Amino acid sequence: QKEVEQDPGPLSVPEGAIVSLNCTYSNSAFQYFMWYRQYSRKGPELLMYTYSSGNKEDGRFTAQVDKSSKYISLFIRDSQPSDSATYLCATSGAGSYQLTFGKGTKLSVIP
Amino acid sequence: NAGVTQTPKFRILKIGQSMTLQCAQDMNHNYMYWYRQDPGMGLKLIYYSVGAGITDKGEVPNGYNVSRSTTEDFPLRLELAAPSQTSVYFCASSGQPRGAGHEQFFGPGTRLTVL
Repeated sequence: QKEVEQDPGPLSVPEGAIVSLNCTYSNSAFQYFMWYRQYSRKGPELLMYTYSSGNKEDGRFTAQVDKSSKYISLFIRDSQPSDSATYLCATSGAGSYQLTFGKGTKLSVIP
Repeated sequence: NAGVTQTPKFRILKIGQSMTLQCAQDMNHNYMYWYRQDPGMGLKLIYYSVGAGITDKGEVPNGYNVSRSTTEDFPLRLELAAPSQTSVYFCASSGQPRGAGHEQFFGPGTRLTVL
């Protein structure tokens, strides 16, 4: 079993929709959870991170971690065409500098 | 601050040729990484470094070599290029891990084709 599983999509939604992106992970030692956004032909950039379980909100974006089920989610409210990108989840253990990435989900928001 | 820079942006190699992908960062980060990204396959770690003079293998090191003589630079060497090395290569850097996580900053990537 891969350490981090992510549905590659593609996912296509109309502008204004709520988007839900998800990952599952297998290693219970992971404590840091990140979402990176990657625009076409660009490098990934950190969008959000959370520590342990719980929710974190930043504008239209909400990151959610459920450590009991080893499930990571990113919600995008009022999605915009500018949100069209590939979203990669990533995890890390305590004090570790290495990240384990999911394969990424390609999202298209249609005007 | 330029962040993480990579050169070249694109390159086409013939089978058996060699080349060096350049990576530099101006954030005084100790940790640097090389990843490759194949379509639909996510990011795979090739090599990483925790400081000048210290490097170690990642998940897919075969066919590559690295060196780290300064904090700023972390070049990746491809010897005897093979079609399987056709990919997009990303360099990244990060500071010391702190309680809030460990953000990696990525360069713009080098798109390499081996024919």
